[in-house]
Amino acid sequence: EAQVTQNPRYLITVTGKKLTVTCSQNMNHEYMSWYRQDPGLGLRQIYYSMNVEVTDKGDVPEGYKVSRKEKRNFPLILESPSPNQTSLYFCASRDSDSTPGANVLTFGAGSRLTVL
Amino acid sequence: QKEVEQNSGPLSVPEGAIASLNCTYSDRGSQSFFWYRQYSGKSPELIMSIYSNGDKEDGRFTAQLNKASQYVSLLIRDSQPSDSATYLCAVNKERDSNYQLIWGAGTKLIIKP
Repeated sequence: EAQVTQNPRYLITVTGKKLTVTCSQNMNHEYMSWYRQDPGLGLRQIYYSMNVEVTDKGDVPEGYKVSRKEKRNFPLILESPSPNQTSLYFCASRDSDSTPGANVLTFGAGSRLTVL
Repeated sequence: QKEVEQNSGPLSVPEGAIASLNCTYSDRGSQSFFWYRQYSGKSPELIMSIYSNGDKEDGRFTAQLNKASQYVSLLIRDSQPSDSATYLCAVNKERDSNYQLIWGAGTKLIIKP
């Protein structure tokens, strides 16, 4: 089954304790992206990656890091989490073809993070 | 002005009626428009995509695009309780060669039995 898998799905942590949210896709997609979703604000992009070893900042990158060492994996790293990073996080992927019809994202199930 | 605006709702519609969801965008050069449905606590899933002015129909769903007025809408005919969800509008950034999307905050739709 074609899918994007995120782990953990739920996490409660404390301020300053480094954590990693993993994301893996089995569709051979070149493009992957991380979003956070907060009430009333919709989806905001954190980082994205057009291909292996190519990453770029989205709209809200502060406090986050990513890496793309393999095509299928795109982990999100919070080096020193703070309470304002409490949110629902989604990983998504798609083909890199930018023609209309190709720009359709497949989302992971989401990771709900609480930072105390 | 937000780049993609949606009425947050909730929009309450009787079962069997037509639900009309609207979205306006600011980037006049945008070319791709998407409607995603998101159930509470779940991930967004694509409902409709539209790229040309006019209407596009898929089952009970119709997407309407008017580039001159910079709005895109989603009509849901014969609304069912299972249509109750938040509907997200997404629009591509014109000047972004990587084809990034801008997202609206979503409209919460409630279908009343």
